[in-house]
Amino acid sequence: EAGVAQSPRYKIIEKRQSVAFWCNPISGHATLYWYQQILGQGPKLLIQFQNNGVVDDSQLPKDRFSAERLKGVDSTLKIQPAKLEDSAVYLCASSLVLSGNTIYFGEGSWLTVV
Amino acid sequence: QKEVEQDPGPLSVPEGAIVSLNCTYSNSAFQYFMWYRQYSRKGPELLMYTYSSGNKEDGRFTAQVDKSSKYISLFIRDSQPSDSATYLCAMTDGQNFVFGPGTRLSVLP
Repeated sequence: EAGVAQSPRYKIIEKRQSVAFWCNPISGHATLYWYQQILGQGPKLLIQFQNNGVVDDSQLPKDRFSAERLKGVDSTLKIQPAKLEDSAVYLCASSLVLSGNTIYFGEGSWLTVV
Repeated sequence: QKEVEQDPGPLSVPEGAIVSLNCTYSNSAFQYFMWYRQYSRKGPELLMYTYSSGNKEDGRFTAQVDKSSKYISLFIRDSQPSDSATYLCAMTDGQNFVFGPGTRLSVLP
């Protein structure tokens, strides 16, 4: 079974530039998550989708971050404009159902803002 | 008080040692408990999953949950250099997942 796919794996941008990350969840998984993980910390939820609807985006900095999952499958996370403190790994994860007991992560997209 | 706290580490042990990794939590609604292993430059991978109190064993790994004390542990027996990674505890009430900050483990040959 293919895992959660993410791209690009690594990205370096200057502050105030924009960046987009793409994620394709495990086939059949209705719930998709975007997490931000800063070095030395645990993952922090940015947004959670159930199919193509947003379940929780309370911790998404909406002035600069946006995410969509238009067809209920793959998803895009965008940052515009980027700040230095956005340097982190952006992890996409998926689970089978909304009240999933386990979630499965992709390899992450590593962002450095200079 | 943070919702989930984890022994900060880093932790260095010799090969073959028994490792104990621990987390405490404050929300009594958590029912499902997980341990993830994260290698450098990789995403977290699910290692162990347990429901409610008790022990679960999988090879060299044992996950222990004590809901009365709001305390979970992961034991690694006969630790190997390949176990060197960051270990994240995670828990959920079925709706919201919360992760600990992780403990970085190094197993020295």
